Amino acid sequence: QVTLKESGPVLVKPTETLTLTCTVSGFSLSNARMGVSWIRQPPGKALEWLAHIFSNDEKSYNTSLKSRLTISKDTSKSQVVLTMTNMDPVDTATYYCARMASGYYLYWGQGTLVTVSS
Amino acid sequence: EIVMTQSPATLSVSPGERATLSCRASQSVSSTLAWYQQKPGQAPRLLIYDASSRATGLPARFSGSGSGTEFTLTISSLQSEDFAVYYCQQYNIWPYSFGQGTKLEIK
Repeated sequence: QVTLKESGPVLVKPTETLTLTCTVSGFSLSNARMGVSWIRQPPGKALEWLAHIFSNDEKSYNTSLKSRLTISKDTSKSQVVLTMTNMDPVDTATYYCARMASGYYLYWGQGTLVTVSS
Repeated sequence: EIVMTQSPATLSVSPGERATLSCRASQSVSSTLAWYQQKPGQAPRLLIYDASSRATGLPARFSGSGSGTEFTLTISSLQSEDFAVYYCQQYNIWPYSFGQGTKLEIK
């Protein structure tokens, strides 16, 4: 059974760095056909694709957020980590991790709401 | 970067009727397009991939069509559980991108 679960702070202050962890089970991050993405959704707004990491550690980032994002993985811990620097209230959103299958997302985490406020 | 545009933003349809949702890509994405359904408080659910392939267990009333830059999600006879927000996503060119969503509401 494939599961993904996001964890991290529920509240961060402006200018701080956000670190989110996605813990997966039911598959290995070293599987050559798999990869994990981070996707976010501000309250009442659309989904926004953020970043992706492949099994070979290759990465891809949202063009407009690239300078603020870093994605990494720890295969032994079955974790994918996303860091986002210089957080702003507009970054308030539910952050999802999702497993990619040939480009689309069959499996999603439940999401974690992060609020940016002083 | 590919921009995905969905229309309409909100669609009001009566139960039992047909709903047609559109998604347009700013450049060709071939058939590498997916559709998702999202209900309040839930993660998105994959409905359609490769433009027209139904996800496992998806009722046959859902169908996807199109290629290149124009895509359509059709729900042939709306059930109460189908009223939700629908998103398209291209996975042809990195960075991948989602549309802004279509809210399907009860008329």
